Amino acid sequence: DAGVIQSPRHEVTEMGQEVTLRCKPISGHNSLFWYRQTMMRGLELLIYFNNNVPIDDSGMPEDRFSAKMPNASFSTLKIQPSEPRDSAVYFCASTRRAGGDNQPQHFGDGTRLSIL
Amino acid sequence: KNQVEQSPQSLIILEGKNCTLQCNYTVSPFSNLRWYKQDTGRGPVSLTIMTFSENTKSNGRYTATLDADTKQSSLHITASQLSDSASYICVVSSIAGGSYIPTFGRGTSLIVHP
Repeated sequence: DAGVIQSPRHEVTEMGQEVTLRCKPISGHNSLFWYRQTMMRGLELLIYFNNNVPIDDSGMPEDRFSAKMPNASFSTLKIQPSEPRDSAVYFCASTRRAGGDNQPQHFGDGTRLSIL
Repeated sequence: KNQVEQSPQSLIILEGKNCTLQCNYTVSPFSNLRWYKQDTGRGPVSLTIMTFSENTKSNGRYTATLDADTKQSSLHITASQLSDSASYICVVSSIAGGSYIPTFGRGTSLIVHP
């Protein structure tokens, strides 16, 4: 079975540019999470969706960040304009919501973002 | 403030030896506690998930324990292998207002030497 697929794996761009990260969750999973990981702060939850609906975006650092989930098989995380402090590894994870919160989350291998 | 503290920060052991990683938390209300393994350059992989009523859970050579009274968890690795070299992250979840709220530890970096 295909796992969570993220693209691109690496992104290097100049500050001020728009960055779009993409995620395809595991088929049949109806919860999707976006995380950010840095050496300084570790893992942080940015936003998550249940059945394509954003539930909690309180972790999104600024208005420059936005996330969408137009259908059950695709989500994007957009940063516009990007800044050097946005450099991090961004992970997407999905899980099967049925059964409540006690389900394993399946992570993609992340997008390593570098803003110059 | 919800916090998760992991110790040690890093650990080096010889192949075949056992080791125990610690996780102390101050998260309320408690929903569950998860241990993840993260290989370098990869996403975290779920090892165990424990709810309030569970004391121990195993996944192969990995055994997690939970003491909800003292708010402590441990991850015990038996007969370590080179492939166990990774970062191990403890995550304690809370549910508030219907929202899932995870608090992450900073991880323990484990190196297994031959």
